[in-house]
Amino acid sequence: QSALTQPASVSGSPGQSITISCTGTSSVVGAYKYVSWYQQHPGKAPKLMIYDVSDRPSGVSNRFSGSKSGGTASLTISGLQAEDEADYYCCLYTGISTYYLFGTGTKVTVL
Amino acid sequence: EVQLVESGGGLVKPGGSLRLSCVASGFTFSTYSMNWVRQAPGKGLEWVSSLSSSSSYIYYADSVKGRFAISRDNAKNSLYLQINGLRAEDTAVYYCASLTTPFDYWGQGTLVTVSS
Repeated sequence: QSALTQPASVSGSPGQSITISCTGTSSVVGAYKYVSWYQQHPGKAPKLMIYDVSDRPSGVSNRFSGSKSGGTASLTISGLQAEDEADYYCCLYTGISTYYLFGTGTKVTVL
Repeated sequence: EVQLVESGGGLVKPGGSLRLSCVASGFTFSTYSMNWVRQAPGKGLEWVSSLSSSSSYIYYADSVKGRFAISRDNAKNSLYLQINGLRAEDTAVYYCASLTTPFDYWGQGTLVTVSS
């Protein structure tokens, strides 16, 4: 299976909301509920921001939210802040074959 | 505090081998499936391999199947990745990670560079 497709870059001004999409075929993204989102700052390990499509781990700001519709999962960042500038990756857990599938990654820029 | 500490990376010639290690602390390592994820310089994340808690189930990405071998020693809280037949495209930071959401733990990574 090929990687999930994300936009290469998304930008927004402080305080605005942005949405990052993660697209695969309906038979891939649509069939599985275990979609996660990771934030990665340069030189750092990825950090889990959303799991199981829309759940937030303890300690993650409620400005981050996730959703899924058909073959597309989405991460929305509300009230954009300078510290949100980072790379973001979606991740699908299939449990078979290609066990985990990562998205192509999106660079978020805060203008 | 949860910690995953990788080691074993370095500069290797094409065709060479390396053994990466990851030592875990701060959580019950023996009950977690564990994974290796890599990231080539300037590129995205790529899942490499998964190993169940009791080593009963093993999965590999097609890109490494037949060349990489994942293993663990629960008595030593350690995860390993034996990498053989290294290619230039294997150059990456290799992360040890639990990926067991929401208990998702990552190490700081170890860099493997394949070059002649």
